Amino acid sequence: GQQVMQIPQYQHVQEGEDFTTYCNSSTTLSNIQWYKQRPGGHPVFLIQLVKSGEVKKQKRLTFQFGEAKKNSSLHITATQTTDVGTYFCAGHSGAGSYQLTFGKGTKLSVIP
Amino acid sequence: ETGVTQTPRHLVMGMTNKKSLKCEQHLGHNAMYWYKQSAKKPLELMFVYNFKEQTENNSVPSRFSPECPNSSHLFLHLHTLQPEDSALYLCASSQDEGQGAQPQHFGDGTRLSIL
Repeated sequence: GQQVMQIPQYQHVQEGEDFTTYCNSSTTLSNIQWYKQRPGGHPVFLIQLVKSGEVKKQKRLTFQFGEAKKNSSLHITATQTTDVGTYFCAGHSGAGSYQLTFGKGTKLSVIP
Repeated sequence: ETGVTQTPRHLVMGMTNKKSLKCEQHLGHNAMYWYKQSAKKPLELMFVYNFKEQTENNSVPSRFSPECPNSSHLFLHLHTLQPEDSALYLCASSQDEGQGAQPQHFGDGTRLSIL
């Protein structure tokens, strides 16, 4: 079955440093979504990427979808303490399926 | 406020008990999901309902029984659970009109502990 690998599992950064998490799928994806889960909270949708090579930005967050639509990354510039949480990627294989396959997530800690 | 409400927030039960988890969404969505979130594991999809019809059942043990009486409500009936079933159970909904995955809106979850 489809697998989505996400690295690193944990990342500790000093406030102001950059952070990147990477996501790789065993199969070509129709689209990929990113979610953020704060400690003690629930996953919150951040963005969806659909096109090959797509890049989207949300303030300090930059999301990329690979040309082969099998990998993706999330980059945060100049982290802040409010960025703390676990970031998940979730891949969707194609139309007709409602299933999102989630990665294990990258837990980000920001040291003030 | 996410528009997806789950009750109870916490549940402690013995292995022989029967309980139910409830999820209600106020977003007008057509698809609803149950996920299990355990430590150090990815979010595991358990069940999907679209327009009240079950479309996915990811080999979930029969001690978990879903019910979807309408597009706004989803239940997860629990009986004779095992200690390894202790986890956070998340409900989600999406617009999902069958043309591809739509963003999912999650509830706060039910933290389940099996004694």
